[in-house]
Amino acid sequence: SQELEQSPQSLIVQEGKNLTINCTSSKTLYGLYWYKQKYGEGLIFLMMLQKGGEEKSHEKITAKLDEKKQQSSLHITASQPSHAGIYLCGAVYLYAGGTSYGKLTFGQGTILTVHP
Amino acid sequence: NAGVTQTPKFQVLKTGQSMTLQCAQDMNHEYMSWYRQDPGMGLRLIHYSVGAGITDQGEVPNGYNVSRSTTEDFPLRLLSAAPSQTSVYFCASAWAVRTTYEQYFGPGTRLTVT
Repeated sequence: SQELEQSPQSLIVQEGKNLTINCTSSKTLYGLYWYKQKYGEGLIFLMMLQKGGEEKSHEKITAKLDEKKQQSSLHITASQPSHAGIYLCGAVYLYAGGTSYGKLTFGQGTILTVHP
Repeated sequence: NAGVTQTPKFQVLKTGQSMTLQCAQDMNHEYMSWYRQDPGMGLRLIHYSVGAGITDQGEVPNGYNVSRSTTEDFPLRLLSAAPSQTSVYFCASAWAVRTTYEQYFGPGTRLTVT
């Protein structure tokens, strides 16, 4: 089973609608990255969350890390066609030797389509 | 700064051939890593390095070798290509200790093995 599960796997929305993507970990998160990827291109860093309860925003995208630090949500307000792409969450875990900052565990991605 | 660069952008190999995917960064990052991306599976870690001369295996290391002789470069070698290695490969780098901890990704190499 996946350590990090994203839901939904794909999402189709009409322009202007709000949407939420979830990222759930089977272990306690030390940190959580959100990336966006356009088809055929590299990953664009959106934001990184570290503390339980932390919330960050960038333009119309808001991400939260829940208090118990096993889930993060990414919320897009008033979606636009430019928001379309694949959204990926990447987890940082704490282990006996330190943290996994250099070696992220990724969810399987959420494909977002925004119809004009 | 060029950031993280990867070459080539596209490559087609025949089964059994070997090749090296190049990755370089000019940000003096300690951490460098290689991921592969397959449909429906997100990115999976192949190998990573926490500094020059230090490498370790990730989740899917079989069939790949790495070395890190300099801080800047982290090449990924396919020893004997197999169709199962058809994928998009991403290199990433990061500082070991920073306040932002942003992981920088290269543009990717799309590899097809026939």
